[in-house]
Amino acid sequence: GDSVTQMEGPVTLSEEAFLTINCTYTATGYPSLFWYVQYPGEGLQLLLKATKADDKGSNKGFEATYRKETTSFHLEKGSVQVSDSAVYFCALSAANSGNTPLVFGKGTRLSVIA
Amino acid sequence: DTAVSQTPKYLVTQMGNDKSIKCEQNLGHDTMYWYKQDSKKFLKIMFSYNNKELIINETVPNRFSPKSPDKAHLNLHINSLELGDSAVYFCASSQEVRDEQFFGPGTRLTVL
Repeated sequence: GDSVTQMEGPVTLSEEAFLTINCTYTATGYPSLFWYVQYPGEGLQLLLKATKADDKGSNKGFEATYRKETTSFHLEKGSVQVSDSAVYFCALSAANSGNTPLVFGKGTRLSVIA
Repeated sequence: DTAVSQTPKYLVTQMGNDKSIKCEQNLGHDTMYWYKQDSKKFLKIMFSYNNKELIINETVPNRFSPKSPDKAHLNLHINSLELGDSAVYFCASSQEVRDEQFFGPGTRLTVL
Protein backbone atom coordinates (compact mmCIF):
# COMPACT_ATOMS: atom_id res chain seq x y z
CA GLY A 1 0.00 0.00 0.00
CA ASP A 2 0.87 3.66 -0.03
CA SER A 3 3.45 4.81 2.49
CA VAL A 4 5.58 7.75 3.56
CA THR A 5 9.07 7.50 5.00
CA GLN A 6 10.62 10.40 6.86
CA MET A 7 14.09 10.79 8.26
CA GLU A 8 14.20 9.86 11.91
CA GLY A 9 14.76 12.57 14.42
CA PRO A 10 15.39 14.28 16.55
CA VAL A 11 17.12 16.93 14.49
CA THR A 12 18.93 19.58 16.50
CA LEU A 13 20.15 22.75 14.79
CA SER A 14 21.50 26.09 15.82
CA GLU A 15 19.54 29.20 14.96
CA GLU A 16 20.07 30.37 11.36
CA ALA A 17 21.22 26.94 10.21
CA PHE A 18 19.90 25.33 7.02
CA LEU A 19 17.23 22.69 7.47
CA THR A 20 16.43 19.65 5.38
CA ILE A 21 13.97 16.99 6.46
CA ASN A 22 13.83 14.13 3.98
CA CYS A 23 10.56 12.56 2.90
CA THR A 24 10.08 9.83 0.32
CA TYR A 25 6.88 8.10 -0.64
CA THR A 26 5.52 4.99 -2.26
CA ALA A 27 2.26 5.34 -4.15
CA THR A 28 0.64 4.51 -7.45
CA GLY A 29 -0.23 7.32 -9.80
CA TYR A 30 0.28 10.93 -8.80
CA PRO A 31 -0.54 11.57 -5.16
CA SER A 32 -0.86 14.97 -3.54
CA LEU A 33 1.85 15.66 -0.95
CA PHE A 34 1.71 17.64 2.27
CA TRP A 35 3.86 18.84 5.12
CA TYR A 36 2.18 19.38 8.47
CA VAL A 37 3.73 20.99 11.56
CA GLN A 38 2.83 20.30 15.17
CA TYR A 39 4.00 22.88 17.70
CA PRO A 40 4.28 21.77 21.34
CA GLY A 41 0.89 21.21 22.92
CA GLU A 42 -1.03 21.87 19.71
CA GLY A 43 -2.70 19.99 16.87
CA LEU A 44 -1.23 19.52 13.43
CA GLN A 45 -1.36 22.45 11.00
CA LEU A 46 -0.91 22.31 7.27
CA LEU A 47 2.43 23.93 6.43
CA LEU A 48 2.50 23.48 2.65
CA LYS A 49 1.35 21.20 -0.11
CA ALA A 50 1.94 20.24 -3.75
CA THR A 51 -0.53 18.48 -5.98
CA LYS A 52 1.49 17.59 -9.07
CA ALA A 53 5.01 16.77 -10.15
CA ASP A 54 7.52 19.66 -10.06
CA ASP A 55 5.17 21.82 -8.00
CA LYS A 56 6.85 23.71 -5.20
CA GLY A 57 4.92 24.37 -2.02
CA SER A 58 6.09 27.20 0.23
CA ASN A 59 5.03 28.89 3.45
CA LYS A 60 6.73 30.72 6.33
CA GLY A 61 10.13 30.35 4.65
CA PHE A 62 9.73 26.57 4.23
CA GLU A 63 9.77 24.98 0.79
CA ALA A 64 9.30 21.51 -0.65
CA THR A 65 9.36 20.37 -4.28
CA TYR A 66 7.36 17.41 -5.57
CA ARG A 67 9.93 15.18 -7.32
CA LYS A 68 8.26 12.37 -9.19
CA GLU A 69 11.53 10.89 -10.46
CA THR A 70 12.89 10.40 -6.94
CA THR A 71 9.45 10.05 -5.25
CA SER A 72 10.50 12.69 -2.75
CA PHE A 73 9.13 15.82 -1.10
CA HIS A 74 11.96 17.08 1.10
CA LEU A 75 11.28 20.02 3.41
CA GLU A 76 13.83 22.84 3.45
CA LYS A 77 14.33 26.16 5.15
CA GLY A 78 17.30 28.42 4.66
CA SER A 79 17.56 29.84 8.17
CA VAL A 80 15.72 28.25 11.07
CA GLN A 81 14.54 30.05 14.17
CA VAL A 82 13.92 28.84 17.70
CA SER A 83 10.20 29.23 17.00
CA ASP A 84 10.47 26.53 14.29
CA SER A 85 11.02 23.89 16.98
CA ALA A 86 8.19 21.42 16.38
CA VAL A 87 7.37 18.00 14.97
CA TYR A 88 7.05 17.88 11.18
CA PHE A 89 4.92 15.30 9.37
CA CYS A 90 5.04 14.42 5.70
CA ALA A 91 1.79 13.04 4.26
CA LEU A 92 0.28 11.92 0.98
CA SER A 93 -3.15 11.64 -0.51
CA ALA A 94 -3.33 8.77 -2.97
CA ALA A 95 -4.39 9.52 -6.52
CA ASN A 96 -7.20 6.96 -6.54
CA SER A 97 -7.82 6.87 -2.85
CA GLY A 98 -11.51 6.05 -2.67
CA ASN A 99 -12.05 6.08 1.07
CA THR A 100 -8.35 6.09 1.94
CA PRO A 101 -7.45 9.19 3.96
CA LEU A 102 -4.11 10.90 4.18
CA VAL A 103 -1.16 8.63 4.91
CA PHE A 104 1.19 10.23 7.44
CA GLY A 105 4.87 9.64 8.08
CA LYS A 106 6.10 9.02 11.61
CA GLY A 107 7.11 12.63 12.18
CA THR A 108 10.48 14.29 12.67
CA ARG A 109 11.15 16.34 15.75
CA LEU A 110 13.16 19.52 15.18
CA SER A 111 14.82 21.40 18.01
CA VAL A 112 16.43 24.76 17.26
CA ILE A 113 18.77 26.17 19.88
CA ALA A 114 19.76 29.80 20.23
CA ASP B 1 -13.65 31.22 15.54
CA THR B 2 -12.05 27.86 16.16
CA ALA B 3 -12.37 25.63 13.09
CA VAL B 4 -12.10 22.26 14.84
CA SER B 5 -12.66 22.18 18.58
CA GLN B 6 -12.41 19.37 21.10
CA THR B 7 -13.47 19.03 24.69
CA PRO B 8 -12.03 18.42 27.14
CA LYS B 9 -8.41 19.39 26.53
CA TYR B 10 -7.23 17.26 29.45
CA LEU B 11 -8.84 14.15 30.88
CA VAL B 12 -7.45 12.27 33.87
CA THR B 13 -9.33 9.19 35.00
CA GLN B 14 -9.01 5.81 36.67
CA MET B 15 -8.75 2.45 34.96
CA GLY B 16 -12.10 0.89 34.28
CA ASN B 17 -13.98 4.17 33.91
CA ASP B 18 -15.96 5.24 30.85
CA LYS B 19 -15.29 8.62 29.26
CA SER B 20 -16.24 10.65 26.19
CA ILE B 21 -14.44 13.22 24.07
CA LYS B 22 -16.40 15.62 21.91
CA CYS B 23 -15.43 17.21 18.61
CA GLU B 24 -17.09 19.90 16.54
CA GLN B 25 -16.08 21.52 13.26
CA ASN B 26 -17.51 24.70 11.78
CA LEU B 27 -15.85 24.38 8.38
CA GLY B 28 -18.80 22.74 6.67
CA HIS B 29 -16.71 19.65 5.94
CA ASP B 30 -18.29 16.31 5.14
CA THR B 31 -15.60 14.08 6.66
CA MET B 32 -14.31 13.78 10.22
CA TYR B 33 -11.65 11.63 11.84
CA TRP B 34 -10.27 10.44 15.14
CA TYR B 35 -6.54 9.87 15.57
CA LYS B 36 -4.50 8.56 18.47
CA GLN B 37 -1.00 9.98 18.98
CA ASP B 38 1.38 8.07 21.23
CA SER B 39 4.26 9.42 23.28
CA LYS B 40 6.61 9.09 20.27
CA LYS B 41 4.28 11.34 18.26
CA PHE B 42 3.20 8.51 15.95
CA LEU B 43 -0.26 9.25 14.53
CA LYS B 44 -2.66 6.36 14.10
CA ILE B 45 -6.04 6.80 12.46
CA MET B 46 -8.89 5.20 14.37
CA PHE B 47 -12.13 6.13 12.64
CA SER B 48 -13.52 8.27 9.87
CA TYR B 49 -17.06 9.40 9.13
CA ASN B 50 -18.37 10.88 5.92
CA ASN B 51 -21.78 12.55 6.16
CA LYS B 52 -22.47 10.70 9.41
CA GLU B 53 -21.59 7.34 7.88
CA LEU B 54 -18.68 5.30 9.21
CA ILE B 55 -16.21 4.75 6.37
CA ILE B 56 -13.00 3.84 8.16
CA ASN B 57 -12.74 1.64 11.20
CA GLU B 58 -9.16 0.63 11.81
CA THR B 59 -8.14 -2.14 14.17
CA VAL B 60 -9.33 -0.49 17.35
CA PRO B 61 -10.68 -2.30 20.43
CA ASN B 62 -14.46 -2.31 20.48
CA ARG B 63 -14.26 -0.42 23.77
CA PHE B 64 -13.92 2.62 21.51
CA SER B 65 -17.16 3.73 19.90
CA PRO B 66 -17.51 6.79 17.71
CA LYS B 67 -20.81 8.58 17.25
CA SER B 68 -21.69 11.23 14.70
CA PRO B 69 -25.02 12.92 15.52
CA ASP B 70 -24.60 15.24 12.53
CA LYS B 71 -21.83 15.96 10.08
CA ALA B 72 -20.39 18.78 12.23
CA HIS B 73 -19.90 16.57 15.27
CA LEU B 74 -17.96 13.40 15.94
CA ASN B 75 -17.71 12.11 19.49
CA LEU B 76 -15.57 9.32 20.87
CA HIS B 77 -16.74 7.18 23.76
CA ILE B 78 -14.32 4.86 25.51
CA ASN B 79 -15.48 2.10 27.84
CA SER B 80 -13.45 0.33 30.51
CA LEU B 81 -10.39 2.53 30.14
CA GLU B 82 -6.99 0.86 30.29
CA LEU B 83 -3.52 2.21 31.02
CA GLY B 84 -2.57 1.77 27.35
CA ASP B 85 -5.31 4.17 26.30
CA SER B 86 -3.25 7.06 27.67
CA ALA B 87 -2.40 9.23 24.68
CA VAL B 88 -3.38 12.41 22.90
CA TYR B 89 -6.51 12.04 20.78
CA PHE B 90 -6.99 14.34 17.82
CA CYS B 91 -10.10 15.07 15.88
CA ALA B 92 -9.76 16.30 12.29
CA SER B 93 -11.97 17.17 9.37
CA SER B 94 -11.72 17.51 5.60
CA GLN B 95 -14.13 18.18 2.78
CA GLU B 96 -13.44 14.90 1.00
CA VAL B 97 -11.49 11.89 2.27
CA ARG B 98 -8.44 12.67 0.12
CA ASP B 99 -8.34 16.39 0.93
CA GLU B 100 -6.09 18.18 3.40
CA GLN B 101 -7.23 17.76 6.96
CA PHE B 102 -7.77 20.35 9.67
CA PHE B 103 -6.92 19.23 13.17
CA GLY B 104 -8.32 20.07 16.56
CA PRO B 105 -6.05 20.98 19.50
CA GLY B 106 -6.10 17.48 20.94
CA THR B 107 -7.32 15.84 24.15
CA ARG B 108 -4.65 14.48 26.44
CA LEU B 109 -6.06 11.39 28.15
CA THR B 110 -4.26 10.01 31.18
CA VAL B 111 -5.45 6.74 32.68
CA LEU B 112 -4.20 6.05 36.20
